[in-house]
Amino acid sequence: AQSVTQLGSHVSVSEGALVLLRCNYSSSVPPYLFWYVQYPNQGLQLLLKYTTGATLVKGINGFEAEFKKSETSFHLTKPSAHMSDAAEYFCAVGVSNFGNEKLTFGTGTRLTIIP
Amino acid sequence: GAGVSQSPSNKVTEKGKDVELRCDPISGHTALYWYRQSLGQGLEFLIYFQGNSAPDKSGLPSDRFSAERTGGSVSTLTIQRTQQEDSAVYLCASSRSTGQVARWWYYGYTFGSGTRLTVV
Repeated sequence: AQSVTQLGSHVSVSEGALVLLRCNYSSSVPPYLFWYVQYPNQGLQLLLKYTTGATLVKGINGFEAEFKKSETSFHLTKPSAHMSDAAEYFCAVGVSNFGNEKLTFGTGTRLTIIP
Repeated sequence: GAGVSQSPSNKVTEKGKDVELRCDPISGHTALYWYRQSLGQGLEFLIYFQGNSAPDKSGLPSDRFSAERTGGSVSTLTIQRTQQEDSAVYLCASSRSTGQVARWWYYGYTFGSGTRLTVV
């Protein structure tokens, strides 16, 4: 079974600073990896995904993530934080395996932006 | 519809009552998922539908929880004899398909805004 660990339930960064949200996964087969963002009182919105091919993936709102198989990581970054980035971020892993067609989510990281 | 619709958006119920939560997925999305989000607990998988069948219901926490899907569209999650620990946000998601095959691994999920259930 696959699993995902998000290091840091709360992360605070200053406006304009680098954002780094950490995600490590566990999977016995090649994974599909996702980052979702949840703004207050809203559902989850897909930020970016890794399926196959290029290991550096770009998403919406200037976010990107790099799949590193050797480190079993899929960390989310953004060069310069904006106040509107304040939200909760979830990393998720899935495998295409009949009978196991679901995403497993991490516990989330709440990002606070300091003015 | 344009997005995944869940109703009601908020539900307050007394302990011991039954509740029904509804999810209307995006038209043509054959895969439908229910998750539960509790404070500080992340998203907990409940059940997955492909069409009207539920190949994976491994996340349902007890036999008080059940779900069905009809016409390959609307799904209802029913919680019987609600308990205070059932209080959470219940999220529904659907996944884009090619024919009858869900392509969640390529497109990801589209989530609804959730139903906030409070058991008092």
